[in-house]
Amino acid sequence: SAVISQKPSRDICQRGTSLTIQCQVDSQVTMMFWYRQQPGQSLTLIATANQGSEATYESGFVIDKFPISRPNLTFSTLTVSNMSPEDSSIYLCSVDKRMASTDTQYFGPGTRLTVL
Amino acid sequence: QKEVEQNSGPLSVPEGAIASLNCTYSDRVSQSFFWYRQYSGKSPELIMSIYSNGDKEDGRFTAQLNKASQYVSLLIRDSQPSDSATYLCAVNKAGRRALTFGSGTRLQVQP
Repeated sequence: SAVISQKPSRDICQRGTSLTIQCQVDSQVTMMFWYRQQPGQSLTLIATANQGSEATYESGFVIDKFPISRPNLTFSTLTVSNMSPEDSSIYLCSVDKRMASTDTQYFGPGTRLTVL
Repeated sequence: QKEVEQNSGPLSVPEGAIASLNCTYSDRVSQSFFWYRQYSGKSPELIMSIYSNGDKEDGRFTAQLNKASQYVSLLIRDSQPSDSATYLCAVNKAGRRALTFGSGTRLQVQP
């Protein structure tokens, strides 16, 4: 498996501000993913982050709102910009690890964001 | 039609019974299938993965895949109250590493 940490674990923010979430992995990984889980909902992919290239965003998510950095093979950040109450969610990073010839995704503990 | 569909539940089973969780997917090019367990307030935890038609067993858990019917299921034998959680079905399409998740089935195991 993979050991993944996220900071902060939770935060309460004011409308209009921005929050940067950090994701650290204990080993080098090619692909990292950012998901959002809104209250009572399932996981929705925001973007895929590869080291050395621009992140690939899913439909409905844009770089201006969710800028992502991937400076090396063990770290990524997701910024939630100009926040509104609708951005209140759990944000999860995940990594793709090859285990026994198959690719499997493992998730970090998540960042619980509340926007007032 | 959603790409991955699950009955939201709750599915309630008595302790010691078999819990059967079902998932259908719409895209025939899907290649890999995963079951995650998510306790309230926690992140998803991988339970099982399955790639070929048939059954795959791991302890009390059995995953079943039928690609012709586009159906994947998870059986939990000897259900325990600690199994009470939301179970998420996830699908990985060919050429795409990211996962598409179903909405999850909430399982309640009654002591």
